[in-house]
Amino acid sequence: EDQVTQSPEALRLQEGESSSLNCSYTVSGLRGLFWYRQDPGKGPEFLFTLYSAGEEKEKERLKATLTKKESFLHITAPKPEDSATYLCAVQANTGTASKLTFGTGTRLQVTL
Amino acid sequence: DGGITQSPKYLFRKEGQNVTLSCEQNLNHDAMYWYRQDPGQGLRLIYYSQIVNDFQKGDIAEGYSVSREKKESFPLTVTSAQKNPTAFYLCASKTNNYQPQHFGDGTRLSIL
Repeated sequence: EDQVTQSPEALRLQEGESSSLNCSYTVSGLRGLFWYRQDPGKGPEFLFTLYSAGEEKEKERLKATLTKKESFLHITAPKPEDSATYLCAVQANTGTASKLTFGTGTRLQVTL
Repeated sequence: DGGITQSPKYLFRKEGQNVTLSCEQNLNHDAMYWYRQDPGQGLRLIYYSQIVNDFQKGDIAEGYSVSREKKESFPLTVTSAQKNPTAFYLCASKTNNYQPQHFGDGTRLSIL
């Protein structure tokens, strides 16, 4: 059974204080690992897809990396508008349904 | 603007009542998905459809039903058999297997 574990559950940072969110996974052959951002009362917003170990993707203050067992979402010099819940999901390389297994998310709060 | 529209934003269900949540997309995506999100849990897959007039059960399909008569539409009915329907329901869609799922802004369902 595919599993995704995210840590920490919650993280509070001061503006400008860089940190990393972790996503550990077990999957029967990884087709893709996805990062999403979710604001309260809204649907998840797609951020990145990573396909193979060693791959990195960047967008503004966010950088996602991937190993064979985990992914990190690095946040450099965060701003209050980066406050959100960050979700990680994996898609297995079996079947054709493109089903995703989600973690429970990391709630990030960035204060002034 | 292309996107996924879920309605209503808030919905209340009485005992013994069936309610239907709407999901419409104008992205020309083939596959559509319904998820349920509860506090402290990852998104859980209810039903999915990869093509018109075909759909499959996800991990928690009991008490729910769907139809896919048009490519753009994938309504979800929460039946009276679903004993714990209070949750945030999210609809998603995607194109081919290597693209991410994109989400609507959800419907929050509560029991009266």
